Amino acid sequence: GAVVSQHPSWVICKSGTSVKIECRSLDFQATTMFWYRQFPKQSLMLMATSNEGSKATYEQGVEKDKFLINHASLTLSTLTVTSAHPEDSSFYICSAPRRGEGEQYFGPGTRLTVT
Amino acid sequence: AQTVTQSQPEMSVQEAETVTLSCTYDTSESNYYLFWYKQPPSRQMILVIRQEAYKQQNATENRFSVNFQKAAKSFSLKISDSQLGDTAMYFCAFLKGGGGADGLTFGKGTHLIIQP
Repeated sequence: GAVVSQHPSWVICKSGTSVKIECRSLDFQATTMFWYRQFPKQSLMLMATSNEGSKATYEQGVEKDKFLINHASLTLSTLTVTSAHPEDSSFYICSAPRRGEGEQYFGPGTRLTVT
Repeated sequence: AQTVTQSQPEMSVQEAETVTLSCTYDTSESNYYLFWYKQPPSRQMILVIRQEAYKQQNATENRFSVNFQKAAKSFSLKISDSQLGDTAMYFCAFLKGGGGADGLTFGKGTHLIIQP
């Protein structure tokens, strides 16, 4: 099956700093990737759609200036949480569809803790 | 916009029993997919089973099967001969068809506990 990786798996940062999370499709190209956020004991909520070579599209209520997304290549999308605050602490998961398949492949997730 | 509803926050059954998890959804789309994902404590999302809306036949994968009732917009998951390793969060998810440009819409999840 298709493999999607994320890095780092766990990051702790201080309030006010920025942190970057990477999502890579290892064995296929992905023109689109998706970022989800999952708070403890809750479901996954779609935050944004990352589009290779163009701007990301954000779901309603997600601040695009706070969650910067860059999809610079067909295998890499990055999510940067800027000026992080404790309420941004969450589990962030990316996914990518492989062309022609009605399915998405998930990364293992990144646990962000803001102190 | 579509919605996915899972009305069972938690379920508990004995090992080897059969359990059914419920899911209903609402959409105006005609082309879509439905999925059940398992999320164990590692939090890695694992695909359990998928169903294309245009297929009338219910999907099956070993001990896992679905009851897809398109008119009723219902998509339940049946786990037969449940095993301790089936203990996890289970999410029902909806995906609009048409080329991969849309993200998944998830239900709130059901925490399934298999008792020894």
